[in-house]
Amino acid sequence: ILNVEQSPQSLHVQEGDSTNFTCSFPSSNFYALHWYRWETAKSPEALFVMTLNGDEKKKGRISATLNTKEGYSYLYIKGSQPEDSATYLCAFWEDYKLSFGAGTTVTVRA
Amino acid sequence: GAVVSQHPSRVICKSGTSVKIECRSLDFQATTMFWYRQFPKKSLMLMATSNEGSKATYEQGVEKDKFLINHASLTLSTLTVTSAHPEDSSFYICSAYPGQGATEQYFGPGTRLTVT
Repeated sequence: ILNVEQSPQSLHVQEGDSTNFTCSFPSSNFYALHWYRWETAKSPEALFVMTLNGDEKKKGRISATLNTKEGYSYLYIKGSQPEDSATYLCAFWEDYKLSFGAGTTVTVRA
Repeated sequence: GAVVSQHPSRVICKSGTSVKIECRSLDFQATTMFWYRQFPKKSLMLMATSNEGSKATYEQGVEKDKFLINHASLTLSTLTVTSAHPEDSSFYICSAYPGQGATEQYFGPGTRLTVT
């Protein structure tokens, strides 16, 4: 099991503001990094699978970047909306297994 | 597509009893299924990997006799918590992996187990 860390643990954002948070992971033997969005009582929803250093992926107002050399990824939410409230998990993929960070819980206040 | 169901979503059982949790891939076949456990404010911790028709592989520190895993078909895996104790109370979640070079696991919604 690999050491994957996310920060901050939680954050509160005003509706309309933008925010970002971090996932750090081992920089050696990198294969892929996954981001998930997880709402209470629902299945974690895959957001991005990132594989290449310098990757930048976007899905609506959410985007992510990847730096495999230094072992970090950022997730950005632009113009936060109440429906963005969720826990965002990152996970390091190795040998088809996932090692998860503890997540960043985002609460968007109207 | 790629829907995974988990049943039950919540269960309360008495100490000393056993409880079974089912994980089903509804619209694809899963060569491998994974079982995770989440402790409060902690990350999802992989408990075991199960492949259809073979014995599960348990992660270090996970008691295989307490957490029995059966992967009877390509769409169903079960986790049985035997002789449950209050410290087994936790959130358990499964995922299914289609294999064939897939780069994602697909997750169920999880089961909240409370042992009284």
